Amino acid sequence: QLQLQESGPGLVKPSETLSLTCTVSGGSISSDNYHWGWIRQPPGKGLEWIGSIHYRGDTKYNPTLKSRATISVDTSKDQFSLNLSSVTAADTALYYCARGRYNEVGTTRFDFWGQGTLVTVSP
Amino acid sequence: EIVMTQSPGTLSVSPGERATLSCRASQSVSSKLVWYQQKPGQAPRLLIYGASTRATGIPDRFSGSGSGTEFTLTISSLQSEDFAVYYCQQYASWLTFGGGTKVDIK
Repeated sequence: QLQLQESGPGLVKPSETLSLTCTVSGGSISSDNYHWGWIRQPPGKGLEWIGSIHYRGDTKYNPTLKSRATISVDTSKDQFSLNLSSVTAADTALYYCARGRYNEVGTTRFDFWGQGTLVTVSP
Repeated sequence: EIVMTQSPGTLSVSPGERATLSCRASQSVSSKLVWYQQKPGQAPRLLIYGASTRATGIPDRFSGSGSGTEFTLTISSLQSEDFAVYYCQQYASWLTFGGGTKVDIK
């Protein structure tokens, strides 16, 4: 059974970089069939896609994040990571990693999700 | 950015009744529309993709319809486990989500 597990600091200071890792188990990240994505959810609010990556390194990002997000992959560890720079309180959210299906344009849907990790941005 | 608008914000339904949830896109997304269910304290669960195709293991009481800018998720006979928040998401132009519809017990 595929499992995804987010890990990283739960508290980040304003203007610093948020760094999270997603570990994939029960399956390989090195599959041509999938993207691997990050989605966040501020407390009590809706969902926002951050970006996605294919194991070969192709990435796509939410343009509204204005290039603050960087996603990378480590196939040797079946992990992918998110760095979000220059964070503010508005970046406080539950961060999910997920497996995505894709078409010729990009990710289409997420069919397996991690449980999420809460990141708070505060001095 | 394609803005997704869901209505109503909250839908109160009795068990066994039918629930109809709406999702509107600010411009046409063709059939590039997904529905998720999210229960408190849990990650979202994929229900429907391609506007009308049920994901693996999803009961047939869930159905999706629509194309272009207007979409509907119908739950034909609400079960206790269906009370949750439902989100739509388009993938015609990167990915954006609607604000969600909460289905609660009447």
